[in-house]
Amino acid sequence: GQNIDQPTEMTATEGAIVQINCTYQTSGFNGLFWYQQHAGEAPTFLSYNVLDGLEEKGRFSSFLSRSKGYSYLLLKELQMKDSASYLCAVKAGNNRKLIWGLGTSLAVNP
Amino acid sequence: GAGVSQSPSNKVTEKGKDVELRCDPISGHTALYWYRQRLGQGLEFLIYFQGNSAPDKSGLPSDRFSAERTGESVSTLTIQRTQQEDSAVYLCASSLGLSGGGYDTQYFGPGTRLTVL
Repeated sequence: GQNIDQPTEMTATEGAIVQINCTYQTSGFNGLFWYQQHAGEAPTFLSYNVLDGLEEKGRFSSFLSRSKGYSYLLLKELQMKDSASYLCAVKAGNNRKLIWGLGTSLAVNP
Repeated sequence: GAGVSQSPSNKVTEKGKDVELRCDPISGHTALYWYRQRLGQGLEFLIYFQGNSAPDKSGLPSDRFSAERTGESVSTLTIQRTQQEDSAVYLCASSLGLSGGGYDTQYFGPGTRLTVL
């Protein structure tokens, strides 16, 4: 079957670093996406990984290990506005349809 | 440029009534997706359109749900005889589709919040 696992909730402190993990088991792999979703809003694209390694984009970085079926999203210098749900999604084959995790709700405290 | 738009933003209806939700994708995007998101839950895939190909309807929860799309333009999601469990936010997304290569990012609209009384 197809399965994506993420922690349900995380808490961190303003200015700190937090790592949100995502593990996946899918039949085929063609890329992994991270999206951010603020409460009451639509998801917005953060990052895409298809090759192993780290992709850095400002305060956010995303890592992928295809052999381990594992990714993480790293958020540095946390700000209050980073409080949101972070969704991991995998493209399992040539079909454009994504398989979505349930999301990790991150609370950033002062 | 213009993003994905959806209408209405909110819809309150009575149980048993039909509703129609609309999605305008980003111009040039050949792929269009509908999702359902219940309060505090993840995204639930409903249906996927790619150009003029037959849509992937594998996520539609029952035959009360249907969707149409003409070419690469507007799509409508119709829910017949609405039930209280249909209450959710319905999100539409579009992407470049087959012309987008591997990096085929989905861009989401603001959603329609449906409440069935």
